[in-house]
Amino acid sequence: DIQMTQSPSSLSASLGGKVTITCKASQDINKYIAWYQHKPGKGPRLLIHYTSTLQPGIPSRFSGSGSGRDYSFSISNLEPEDIATYYCLQYDNLYTFGGGTKLEIK
Amino acid sequence: QIQLVQSGPELKKPGETVKISCKASGYTFTNYGMNWVKQAPGKGLKWMGWINTYTGEPTYADDFKGRFAFSLETSASTAYLQINNLKNEDTATYFCARGDYYGRGFFDYWGQGTTLTVSS
Repeated sequence: DIQMTQSPSSLSASLGGKVTITCKASQDINKYIAWYQHKPGKGPRLLIHYTSTLQPGIPSRFSGSGSGRDYSFSISNLEPEDIATYYCLQYDNLYTFGGGTKLEIK
Repeated sequence: QIQLVQSGPELKKPGETVKISCKASGYTFTNYGMNWVKQAPGKGLKWMGWINTYTGEPTYADDFKGRFAFSLETSASTAYLQINNLKNEDTATYFCARGDYYGRGFFDYWGQGTTLTVSS
């Protein structure tokens, strides 16, 4: 099974700032990674798939990159509504989620 | 618009059975697979498996073989998750999530989640 190591598990940043989350796979996942935003009481929201493809309607403040085993996800110009937990998901071989990153605003 | 609407919260005792529903609308139900995801309290997301909504064939992740069953009511565009012989560790929020037909793509739409509490 593919393992996904996501870091950090939590972070705090200022409004207008930028944050970056990383996911490291236990093997090459051929860019088959998606990123989700999850708020309490709701289902996760798809932001990015295939490493860097933005889902329609998602602001360009969100971005993703990477290849092989190493992937990153960034949010720039942080807004209050970005407070959430973010997850990566590999879908190259079955499915594995990263452990999640809880984002707080300073 | 595409929606997945799940059934309401459940409170069950150990050993009982629960069946959670996920009703889809806004797309052709049998053109996309349906996945199930578990989130235990304070924990992350864990993929439980998926069901091919055209053939009805389920696939279970290793940790969810045995007491778990996926089923369909295609005429109602509804997928079900049944958990038998409930245990305390089944306490969690369960999500349905739409995937691709072949069970290989990302999940693009999610239900709102169903909270299950198992307690004596």
